[in-house]
Amino acid sequence: DVKVTQSSRYLVKRTGEKVFLECVQDMDHENMFWYRQDPGLGLRLIYFSYDVKMKEKGDIPEGYSVSREKKERFSLILESASTNQTSMYLCATHGGVIRYFGPGTRLTVL
Amino acid sequence: TQLLEQSPQFLSIQEGENLTVYCNSSSVFSSLQWYRQEPGEGPVLLVTVVTGGEVKKLKRLTFQFGDARKDSSLHITAAQPGDTGLYLCAVDDRGSTLGRLYFGRGTQLTVWP
Repeated sequence: DVKVTQSSRYLVKRTGEKVFLECVQDMDHENMFWYRQDPGLGLRLIYFSYDVKMKEKGDIPEGYSVSREKKERFSLILESASTNQTSMYLCATHGGVIRYFGPGTRLTVL
Repeated sequence: TQLLEQSPQFLSIQEGENLTVYCNSSSVFSSLQWYRQEPGEGPVLLVTVVTGGEVKKLKRLTFQFGDARKDSSLHITAAQPGDTGLYLCAVDDRGSTLGRLYFGRGTQLTVWP
């Protein structure tokens, strides 16, 4: 049974804090993705990684960075959280045709 | 400009009714995927359609890919409360093997008992 796990289901942070969102997969997939999901806007790609230490910007990378030190782990970092980063964050991996999503982290920035 | 346009954005129906949701674009795609997302969970792949005109069935769900491979529809027969969720269509980034997807904004379906 494939699994993509995210470190937190719910997270509340204050403006200006540094925030780490962790994603771990057990499928040995090379490609991993971070999306954010907002009502009426759908899923938008923030960053993705196709190998350890390799990363590419998605459509909305501003205000975010990522880290991929190990194949199974892909971290999304908000260097200085802002209220407009309140959102649902979804991690995904790519295995052939199928993409597997984690359950999401609902982040609220106060 | 949104690559994929989904309609309707919201749909609220009674159990037992039929419904169709649409995913349209002006671009041609080699394949298209449909996902369902339940509250508090990530999207789960329902189907991938590849051939123009293709029809795939998944129990009470019927998926069709347009002949020109620019659009797709999802038809649900005799909807049940368990069908409630956000339905998303998505396509691959053309020319990329990295697996990034472009999503429509989704159709939020609520089926009342």
